[in-house]
Amino acid sequence: AQTVTQSQPEMSVQEAETVTLSCTYDTSESDYYLFWYKQPPSRQMILVIRQEAYKQQNATENRFSVNFQKAAKSFSLKISDSQLGDAAMYFCAYSYGGSNYKLTFGKGTLLTVNP
Amino acid sequence: EAGVTQFPSHSVIEKGQTVTLRCDPISGHDNLYWYRRVMGKEIKFLLHFVKESKQDESGMPNNRFLAERTGGTYSTLKVQPAELEDSGVYFCASSRVGTATQETQYFGPGTRLLVL
Repeated sequence: AQTVTQSQPEMSVQEAETVTLSCTYDTSESDYYLFWYKQPPSRQMILVIRQEAYKQQNATENRFSVNFQKAAKSFSLKISDSQLGDAAMYFCAYSYGGSNYKLTFGKGTLLTVNP
Repeated sequence: EAGVTQFPSHSVIEKGQTVTLRCDPISGHDNLYWYRRVMGKEIKFLLHFVKESKQDESGMPNNRFLAERTGGTYSTLKVQPAELEDSGVYFCASSRVGTATQETQYFGPGTRLLVL
């Protein structure tokens, strides 16, 4: 069974600084998808960034980028120039694909941004 | 475009009672997923509909949970009778049918269920 592990229950960062959230996963599949979702306080979960396992290039979305290490089964999220609005619970997730893209989530990392 | 909506936002019931949660997906999204997060634990997959058909219900905890999606539009998740361990946040997500990119899941705000 696939598992996703986020070893940092909480992280904090100063505004304008950079922070990296860690995620490791376990799977026997060679083709899969990895995601970072963000859930701000009392708001809906939204997709931050997606990585296809067959792509060697790390995905980036503006200030958000990932470090995808397939052999190590590691998928960390880097947030550059942190903003107060980045404060949220961040979930790492895995999906195998095929006919069912159900997500397997980690426990989440609560990110605090200090002014 | 309206997002995924869920009703109610909160529900407090007593053990043994019945509760029905509702999810309205984004219009045109044939995929509908239910997930649950129990306090302090991971968000867990419950089941997946494609239109009105159950594609995968491997995550349903037991037969006290019944999910339906009549007509392939909104979905309901009924818990009967509710137990203390059913407390948690129930999320619904929807997506189009297509490639992995097209099947990006959009989440609702969740229903917070507390069983006393």
